[in-house]
Amino acid sequence: EIVLTQSPGTLSLSPGERATLSCRASQSVSSSYLAWYQQKPGQVPRLLIYGASSRATGIPDRFSGSGSGTDFTLTISRLEPEDFAVYYCQQYGSSPGWTFGQGTKVEIK
Amino acid sequence: EVQLVEAGGGLVQPGGSLRLSCAASGFTFSRNWMHWVRQAPGKGLVWVSHINNDGSSTTYADSVKGRFTISRDNAKNTLYLQMSSLRAEDTAVYYCASGGSYFDYWGQGTLVTVSS
Repeated sequence: EIVLTQSPGTLSLSPGERATLSCRASQSVSSSYLAWYQQKPGQVPRLLIYGASSRATGIPDRFSGSGSGTDFTLTISRLEPEDFAVYYCQQYGSSPGWTFGQGTKVEIK
Repeated sequence: EVQLVEAGGGLVQPGGSLRLSCAASGFTFSRNWMHWVRQAPGKGLVWVSHINNDGSSTTYADSVKGRFTISRDNAKNTLYLQMSSLRAEDTAVYYCASGGSYFDYWGQGTLVTVSS
């Protein structure tokens, strides 16, 4: 099973700052199969990025994804108040198929 | 507009059973893989099970294998999760989600609480 480790656990930043979130896989992941989600308190997860770098429909261009192999990054260029949330990476690959990272919380400093 | 609406959650005793359902609309259900993903209170997302578009292939997380069964009725645009031998650690919000390698649409979730 591929394990995804996200860092840091919590990121304390101010609106307007840049956020860089890391997702490291225990084995190589196909870039086609790496996604990122945003979840706000009490809300349903929302797909942000798929295929490591493609933005989902309606996602602002301040969100970008990059990386390959075992190291992937989600970058939020300038944090807006609505961006403070928990972010999860997720991969699809070998058995059992789909796994999530443990999440990174982006909180207001 | 894509809609996924889960139902069937509730309080169940350890060792009990429950069947969740997820009614889909706004897209061609029969062409999409479907999944169940759960989230324990205050915890992260955990993938539970997948079913392919025609129901001929299913996969499960090790933690639920042999206890949970995923199925679908394409004529009714409905996804199901039959859960048995429930444990306290199965307590979570259960989301249905559509997608192949990633989850593009999610339902609002239904809470399952396993407690005596």
